[in-house]
Amino acid sequence: QQQVKQSPQSLIVQKGGISIINCAYENTAFDYFPWYQQFPGKGPALLIAIRPDVSEKKEGRFTISFNKSAKQFSLHIMDSQPGDSATYFCAPLEYGNKLVFGAGTILRVKS
Amino acid sequence: EAQVTQNPRYLITVTGKKLTVTCSQNMNHEYMSWYRQDPGLGLRQIYYSMNVEVTDKGDVPEGYKVSRKEKRNFPLILESPSPNQTSLYFCASSLPRQGGIRRTGELFFGEGSRLTVL
Repeated sequence: QQQVKQSPQSLIVQKGGISIINCAYENTAFDYFPWYQQFPGKGPALLIAIRPDVSEKKEGRFTISFNKSAKQFSLHIMDSQPGDSATYFCAPLEYGNKLVFGAGTILRVKS
Repeated sequence: EAQVTQNPRYLITVTGKKLTVTCSQNMNHEYMSWYRQDPGLGLRQIYYSMNVEVTDKGDVPEGYKVSRKEKRNFPLILESPSPNQTSLYFCASSLPRQGGIRRTGELFFGEGSRLTVL
């Protein structure tokens, strides 16, 4: 059972453009919605996260949009930079500590 | 420096030769977990531990064992490795999310251990 569907698998964006990655989930018990960022040779690290009682959260150039009724949330990277090139994972979790990872999106920002 | 340390970082072994991947964290976290990362599959949980002497299976536990005798250490044991266990392994730790406490459950990951089983 695939609880989390992430799209696209890969994304190429020009420097200064907007990167958008989407995540759809099925489990209504998820109560926290983070995005993790992974650089080559490193472990994933928390980038930004949102609780289900808000529809949007912005931290610098990174924004999460959350649609509870559609069971979707997305990551927007404004003014994308080459340093943003990484793999991004949505990883919602239920009450407790288990994150359920999406398959990942490889982002490449061309300079 | 707060960190999760895994060893070895790279290992090539042969089918059936027992191996252990060590994991240690210095953040006094109760929760620890092992994941494997495979292309197109994201990260899948192998085992997790809520505290010392408390471990439980994740989504893909077959062929793996763990132990949690000390709070800081959570080794992953492959008793008889097989080629389908060739993967990139991550150990992670966090504070537990508890009722009434709005902890985020943010996971802190090690840098990974790339295992090849021939």
